[in-house]
Amino acid sequence: EVQLVQSGAEVKKPGESLKISCKGSGNSFNGYWIGWVRQMPGKGLELMGIIYPGDSDTRYRPSFQGQVTMSADKSTTTAYLQWRSLKASDTAIYYCVKLVRGAPFDYWGQGTLVTVSS
Amino acid sequence: EIVMTQSPATLSVSPGERATLSCRASQSISSTLAWYQQKPGQAPRLLIYDASTRATGIPARFSGSGSGTEFTLTISSLQSEDFAVYYCQQYFTWPPGTFGQGTKVEIK
Repeated sequence: EVQLVQSGAEVKKPGESLKISCKGSGNSFNGYWIGWVRQMPGKGLELMGIIYPGDSDTRYRPSFQGQVTMSADKSTTTAYLQWRSLKASDTAIYYCVKLVRGAPFDYWGQGTLVTVSS
Repeated sequence: EIVMTQSPATLSVSPGERATLSCRASQSISSTLAWYQQKPGQAPRLLIYDASTRATGIPARFSGSGSGTEFTLTISSLQSEDFAVYYCQQYFTWPPGTFGQGTKVEIK
C-alpha cells in the first residue's frame, strides 16, 4: 500500500519563501507520478501540476506555471512544492496525490495548510 | 480544457433518504470519471472510479452511473456519516484532474 505523509502546517508572511514536502512509502514511489492539489479556503479542488520522481519530468497546469516549483528526490522518495515569494492568495491546503495515467487519485496525503498573512 | 459541472451545489436530504448528484463534462470523457467524498478537515477519499466501480471499502449504498458527458452518483439511503462534499473528476486527459465545483450534501 502507498502512504503519502506531508509536512506540517506553515504560517508565513507575504514575500517569504516556502518549501513543503510529501514523503512516499510503499510500492515503487519512483514508478508513479505525484500531483499537487490546491484547496483554497471554502473552495474546491484544483490540480496544480504533476511530477515523476523517477526522472523529475514535471508538468504544470497553465495557471500555476511560474508561480510554484515542483521537485522530487527519488533517493528519499520525497516530492516538494516550493514558492519563491508567497502571496496572501497562496493561503490554502495543499495535498499531494499519487497519480497513474488513466486512473483516479487513489492515495492522498493528509494535506498541508499554508497560511500567508502579514 | 474539459470543464466539469456539478449540480446541485447543495442538496438537503433527510437521513435514510436517497441522494442523487449529477456531474456533466463539457466533452465526452468515456467512463474516466471518479467521485470523491470530502469531510471537514479531511483529505478527499475516492468513492467511485471508472464511473461505476466502487473503490475498496466503499459501502454498496454508493453507486455511480453514466458515460460520455453525463454522470450520476447515488447514495441509496443516507447515513449520518455521508453528509459531506462530493466532487467529480475526469481523468480522460493527461495530465488529468479537472474537478467539478462540488456538491454539499447536508442534513435536511
